[in-house]
Amino acid sequence: AQSVTQPDIHITVSEGASLELRCNYSYGATPYLFWYVQSPGQGLQLLLKYFSGDTLVQGIKGFEAEFKRSQSSFNLRKPSVHWSDAAEYFCAVGGFSGTYKYIFGTGTRLKVLA
Amino acid sequence: NAGVTQTPKFQVLKTGQSMTLQCAQDMNHEYMSWYRQDPGMGLRLIHYSVGAGITDQGEVPNGYNVSRSTTEDFPLRLLSAAPSQTSVYFCASSFGQDYGYTFGSGTRLTVV
Repeated sequence: AQSVTQPDIHITVSEGASLELRCNYSYGATPYLFWYVQSPGQGLQLLLKYFSGDTLVQGIKGFEAEFKRSQSSFNLRKPSVHWSDAAEYFCAVGGFSGTYKYIFGTGTRLKVLA
Repeated sequence: NAGVTQTPKFQVLKTGQSMTLQCAQDMNHEYMSWYRQDPGMGLRLIHYSVGAGITDQGEVPNGYNVSRSTTEDFPLRLLSAAPSQTSVYFCASSFGQDYGYTFGSGTRLTVV
């Protein structure tokens, strides 16, 4: 069965430090891959997506993610974190055998220290 | 452009009551879904639709009904509310599998 794992429930970084949030998936083929961000009390906003081509994708708010097929991973990165990046981040996968279902990870909550 | 609009934003129900969560989008998206979000569990798919007149079950459909009579609207009905349905509910829409979702701002439901 398809699954998505975000191994880090909470991550704390200092403002200006680099950030990497991990996402691993289980699926036989290359799925569609997404990262979303959720600020408190808000809905989810799409940060970036990958489904083919260049394995390093750029998104909004200065985020990027790299697809590594050999590791079944799609990690989210940002070179320098801002206090406004504090939020919860969700990895999602879709495109399973022609269905229109997406599976979300359980999320990583990011805290930024001033 | 309003995007995805969910109403109400907050609701308290008594056990056994029924209600409908409304969802409307103005982007002409074919794909719409309902998710529930619970602490530590991420988002779980309740029902989804790939177009008007077509709906299907997600991973947690029990206790919920949906219909899709128009492209714009995708209401979620709770048939007989239970405390286990206390959650935050999100409606989302998309052009297709590789576009990603646009989410509504959510409905926080408490069943007492």
